[in-house]
Amino acid sequence: QKEVEQNSGPLSVPEGAIASLNCTYSDRGSQSFFWYRQYSGKSPELIMSIYSNGDKEDGRFTAQLNKASQYVSLLIRDSQPSDSATYLCAVYKDSGYALNFGKGTSLLVTP
Amino acid sequence: SQTIHQWPATLVQPVGSPLSLECTVEGTSNPNLYWYRQAAGRGLQLLFYSVGIGQISSEVPQNLSASRPQDRQFILSSKKLLLSDSGFYLCAQGQGSYEQYFGPGTRLTVT
Repeated sequence: QKEVEQNSGPLSVPEGAIASLNCTYSDRGSQSFFWYRQYSGKSPELIMSIYSNGDKEDGRFTAQLNKASQYVSLLIRDSQPSDSATYLCAVYKDSGYALNFGKGTSLLVTP
Repeated sequence: SQTIHQWPATLVQPVGSPLSLECTVEGTSNPNLYWYRQAAGRGLQLLFYSVGIGQISSEVPQNLSASRPQDRQFILSSKKLLLSDSGFYLCAQGQGSYEQYFGPGTRLTVT
């Protein structure tokens, strides 16, 4: 069983819409959750972190965590073409503080 | 703020040749350091992590090795490259169970 799962997409949304990216994880004891954005050919960039149940907002980004359902999501409001990228979900792994990554969801924002 | 340097940026090596990739970090002391690999169409795979000088843990048995000769230097090596070693190699640094930050990466093609 994969430890962190994401829909590979591509997820296509029109400019100005809300993009919703989802991630599930298998380790019920996980405590720390992260969203990274990766443009093609570039390294991942941390955009959100969340540690407790509920919502965390930062600008146009909102991370949502539901530990009971083992589910974490990222909402991008007012999506822009520059948001087109692959979004990686990462979960803290109890092994040298390393992260376990999903394979990512490709997002395409169309003008 | 932390800065992570990786070199070279790109590398083309023949099968059976040796490899040395270097990562250095600035702006932090005693960081946890990580080597990840991202192969085409696959997720980020943790290869090695280090919580201090000379302390290396391997996540995946393979023909690669890592060393940490100084607090802010992390080196990935191989004596003989395989075709399957091709990929995007990423160095990351972090503290505890909190955020990890990635360097710009080295794209390795083994021919």
